[in-house]
Amino acid sequence: KAGVTQTPRYLIKTRGQQVTLSCSPISGHRSVSWYQQTPGQGLQFLFEYFSETQRNKGNFPGRFSGRQFSNSRSEMNVSTLELGDSALYLCASSLAGTGELYGYTFGSGTRLTVV
Amino acid sequence: DQQVKQNSPSLSVQEGRISILNCDYTNSMFDYFLWYKKYPAEGPTFLISISSIKDKNEDGRFTVFLNKSAKHLSLHIVPSQPGDSAVYFCAARDYGGSQGNLIFGKGTKLSVKP
Repeated sequence: KAGVTQTPRYLIKTRGQQVTLSCSPISGHRSVSWYQQTPGQGLQFLFEYFSETQRNKGNFPGRFSGRQFSNSRSEMNVSTLELGDSALYLCASSLAGTGELYGYTFGSGTRLTVV
Repeated sequence: DQQVKQNSPSLSVQEGRISILNCDYTNSMFDYFLWYKKYPAEGPTFLISISSIKDKNEDGRFTVFLNKSAKHLSLHIVPSQPGDSAVYFCAARDYGGSQGNLIFGKGTKLSVKP
């Protein structure tokens, strides 16, 4: 079965612009979580969506937002991009998000570079 | 405040020897601990997990040990192979407090030399 699909794989944006990243979870998975990976900070939790509702949010500024559609696909948006937003953005899906013994299945990520 | 800590950013091991990756945590409410492996330009892939009610879980060459009193877990890889070279992330699940999201350490880069 298809894994978690993230598009685009690579993106270059200019400071001040906004960006939208997309994530299609594994079929049947209703929970989608987003993580930011940077060399110095490791993987940091952004937010989690379940059945179109944001269920949990990490410590990121309001410039970072997301949403989930009825088909469980999710998008995250970053407005007014800063150089420090350059990172690998990872999406992970799971059936329910809370009862998963094996955690999440991750996509390959979107590499965002802000110049 | 970092709740999951991997204090060694890198580890180099000879092929065939044991690799030991360590992880410390601060939150006693964590109920599951997981190890993920990540290659460059790929997402993390699940490796092995352990419930907080156990002290050891084994899967082939990979064994995870949990010491709850010390709030410490470790991943043993025996024997190490060059294909094991990757970044290893320790993660903990805070079931009660954060509705299940995973909290990751910063990772340890393992290099297995032939």
